[in-house]
Amino acid sequence: GAGVSQSPSNKVTEKGKDVELRCDPISGHTALYWYRQSLGQGLEFLIYFQGNSAPDKSGLPSDRFSAERTGGSVSTLTIQRTQQEDSAVYLCASSLVGGVPTEQYFGPGTRLTVT
Amino acid sequence: AQSVSQHNHHVILSEAASLELGCNYSYGGTVNLFWYVQYPGQHLQLLLKYFSGDPLVKGIKGFEAEFIKSKFSFNLRKPSVQWSDTAEYFCAVNTNNAGNMLTFGGGTRLMVKP
Repeated sequence: GAGVSQSPSNKVTEKGKDVELRCDPISGHTALYWYRQSLGQGLEFLIYFQGNSAPDKSGLPSDRFSAERTGGSVSTLTIQRTQQEDSAVYLCASSLVGGVPTEQYFGPGTRLTVT
Repeated sequence: AQSVSQHNHHVILSEAASLELGCNYSYGGTVNLFWYVQYPGQHLQLLLKYFSGDPLVKGIKGFEAEFIKSKFSFNLRKPSVQWSDTAEYFCAVNTNNAGNMLTFGGGTRLMVKP
């Protein structure tokens, strides 16, 4: 079946511009996660959505980062006024349910380069 | 907050050599443990996971890992590596008090020479 998909696969933007990254989770998965993979910081958790509950935003590095999940499916991660340190691969993952031990399935990521 | 340490950042082995990658975590409560692999140009894939029960878990492609609670460790092993095992390996943990977020180790880059 279809896995987690993300778009775009690559994004180059100028410092100060806003960017939107999209994630389509596996159909039927109620939990959705965003992570960031960067050279200096490794893989870091950003935000977690579970059903209609309020998202866990504890990993967002600054108020320039926000995310939403519409209709319990597609999610968009928005970075405002991008900085060079935002350059990283942004990974989305989904799992069947949240709050219980279960496997997370990862998408291919969006490579963001801020020039 | 929990943390995960992978002691080996880069490992180079010849084919047929045995592999052991270290993973230690810091958290005193119940943990769920994972090893993910990222092959060159591909996305993260689950190798194996431990939730409860037998502390020796077997995953795909001949990999196994042993959960040793007293050592806070979950080391990954494979008796005989192949060139196709060249990849980056990530240990990850989640805990019952941290929602379902994964905390990852820094990763280990494995290169297997043919």
